[in-house]
Amino acid sequence: QVQLQQSGPGLVKPSQTLSLTCVISGDSVSGNSAAWTWIRQSPSRGLEWLGRTYYRSKWYSDYAVSVKSRISINPDTSKNQFSLQLDAVTPEDTAVYYCARWAHEERHFDHWGQGTLVTVSS
Amino acid sequence: DIVMTQSPFSLPVTPGEPASISCRSSQSLLDSNGNNYLDWYLQKPGQSPQLLIYLSSNRASGVPDRFSGSGSGTDFTLKISRVEAEDVGVYYCMQALQLPLAFGGGTKVEIK
Repeated sequence: QVQLQQSGPGLVKPSQTLSLTCVISGDSVSGNSAAWTWIRQSPSRGLEWLGRTYYRSKWYSDYAVSVKSRISINPDTSKNQFSLQLDAVTPEDTAVYYCARWAHEERHFDHWGQGTLVTVSS
Repeated sequence: DIVMTQSPFSLPVTPGEPASISCRSSQSLLDSNGNNYLDWYLQKPGQSPQLLIYLSSNRASGVPDRFSGSGSGTDFTLKISRVEAEDVGVYYCMQALQLPLAFGGGTKVEIK
């Protein structure tokens, strides 16, 4: 059974970097049937896909245009996890952040992390 | 980018009665392989979203058969044949055809 466990700070100051980690159990971050994704949810923007990383003979990443200049999603094969970094945050980045497993062939999110509320405030 | 629109915004339901949620996409979600790339998720209060339906009409593992999905192209429907108390929450459709993946605004189902 795949499980995703998120960790990271719940409070980040404006202009600083938001960093979250998602530890995978029951699957491999290097597996070729999934993509490892970050999604956020806020009252103003709803559920918003942020980006993903996946391995198909080499590592790939895709990002939402709205955050492309500020975001990085990176795998860590030694710890079987992946991370989100979002630079230069503003209060508009306040949201619940979720990691999720994207089942590539059937194109759906079949496993989600528990969510992390990140507040951007001084 | 594909935009997803759901209706209604809120849906009060009586236990045992049917319920229906509509989802419309700004572009067709029908791929050349014949699949409609439309998913449905339910977010129960205080929880992460969970998959209900994928490829427009396929129930995810463990999803009760009172849930059904239908539709093709740009118009899709999620139906609950007989609503139970545990079905309360916010239902989201999501287009899975192309990046960026996009969710609808959600439909809140609550018990009358």
